Amino acid sequence: AQSVSQHNHHVILSEAASLELGCNYSYGGTVNLFWYVQYPGQHLQLLLKYFSGDPLVKGIKGFEAEFIKSKFSFNLRKPSVQWSDTAEYFCAVINAGGYQKVTFGIGTKLQVIP
Amino acid sequence: DTAVSQTPKYLVTQMGNDKSIKCEQNLGHDTMYWYKQDSKKFLKIMFSYNNKELIINETVPNRFSPKSPDKAHLNLHINSLELGDSAVYFCASSQHGQGGNTEAFFGQGTRLTVV
Repeated sequence: AQSVSQHNHHVILSEAASLELGCNYSYGGTVNLFWYVQYPGQHLQLLLKYFSGDPLVKGIKGFEAEFIKSKFSFNLRKPSVQWSDTAEYFCAVINAGGYQKVTFGIGTKLQVIP
Repeated sequence: DTAVSQTPKYLVTQMGNDKSIKCEQNLGHDTMYWYKQDSKKFLKIMFSYNNKELIINETVPNRFSPKSPDKAHLNLHINSLELGDSAVYFCASSQHGQGGNTEAFFGQGTRLTVV
């Protein structure tokens, strides 16, 4: 069974600080990896995704993530956060074969202080 | 056009009532899901249907009954609502067998409040 671990449950940063949110997954086969963002009171939005190829993927709003296969990790980064980045961030995996289901991490609440 | 749409967006109801949430996708996907997001924001899969067939049922009470009249629709009916059912319910869809490039698209969520 696949699982996703997010290590930081609540992160508080000042504007312009750099961000890195950890994500590790557990699955023996090929996976597709995602980061979703959920702004307060809103639905899930896709930030970025990794299917194959270049392990460094760039998403919307200046976010990027790096897939490190040997570490089963897919950490999310942003060089300089803004107050508008305050949201809940979810790492997710979907197994590439068989019947897929999206498995989410527990989420990281990011609070950016102006 | 909204790819995955859910109705209603908000639902407030009394304990013991029966209610339904509807979901429709216009992406031509063959797989649809229901997820529950609890008060701690944890997202947990409830059901998954592929071509109208139930393929995932993740230990959900029998009071929850999904129905898929066709590939584009997956409705969720809940009987005898309880306070603990209060949550945000997300519908999603994906296309099976895309050679590994599989992505799920989510609806905007239905916030259910049981009073």
